[in-house]
Amino acid sequence: EVQLVESGGGLVKPGGSLRLSCAASGLIFNNAWMNWVRQAPGKGLEWVGRIKSKTGGGTTDYAAPVKGRFTISRDDSKNTLYLQMNSLKTEDTAVYYCTTEYDILTAFDYWGQGTLVTVSS
Amino acid sequence: QSALTQPASVSGSPGQSITISCTGTSNDIGGSNYVSWYQQHPGKAPKLMIYDATKRPSGISYRFSGSKSGSTASLTISGLQAEDEANYYCSSYITSNTWVFGGGTKLTVL
Repeated sequence: EVQLVESGGGLVKPGGSLRLSCAASGLIFNNAWMNWVRQAPGKGLEWVGRIKSKTGGGTTDYAAPVKGRFTISRDDSKNTLYLQMNSLKTEDTAVYYCTTEYDILTAFDYWGQGTLVTVSS
Repeated sequence: QSALTQPASVSGSPGQSITISCTGTSNDIGGSNYVSWYQQHPGKAPKLMIYDATKRPSGISYRFSGSKSGSTASLTISGLQAEDEANYYCSSYITSNTWVFGGGTKLTVL
């Protein structure tokens, strides 16, 4: 059974930084294309960014609102995905979900339970 | 990239069928076969219901079906059940290696 467990959320001041982690199990993590999707309180889903598997090129892509501020990385030896968030804004307040393109390569087939990030002074 | 357009809410009675639309442009739905639909119950993570516009993942009820015509995708739920009450989101791959979601539709089972 595929499990994704996010951690690292919390309260941070505007302009601050935070790093989220997503620990994966039950899949061949090396092969997984990994994404972050967020959801502001009471709002819809918003794609944040993706990192491809190393065999897929290992490249990253980002949504316009976070490009240049957020960095996605992975440690395949630890089966862990990361999201480094810098220069945080109040509008970054959201639940952040880790999700995969794995068994189904053209959609988000597995999701974590999410971790809440609150940006507030 | 703007969000895909979905109706804010739809409703139906148990046993009926409902359809949720998702409208985009030639840059997203119109130019991609990678359209997917997600169900989200309050406080829970989203769940994949339809991918590649018309395909159901293993374990998803046949009552859920998808279609696409031009720049509009649709999700149809037949034989509505109380447990179908949830928020539904469409998503499309964009040619620039990014994804976009719809604004979401709240389904109420009357």
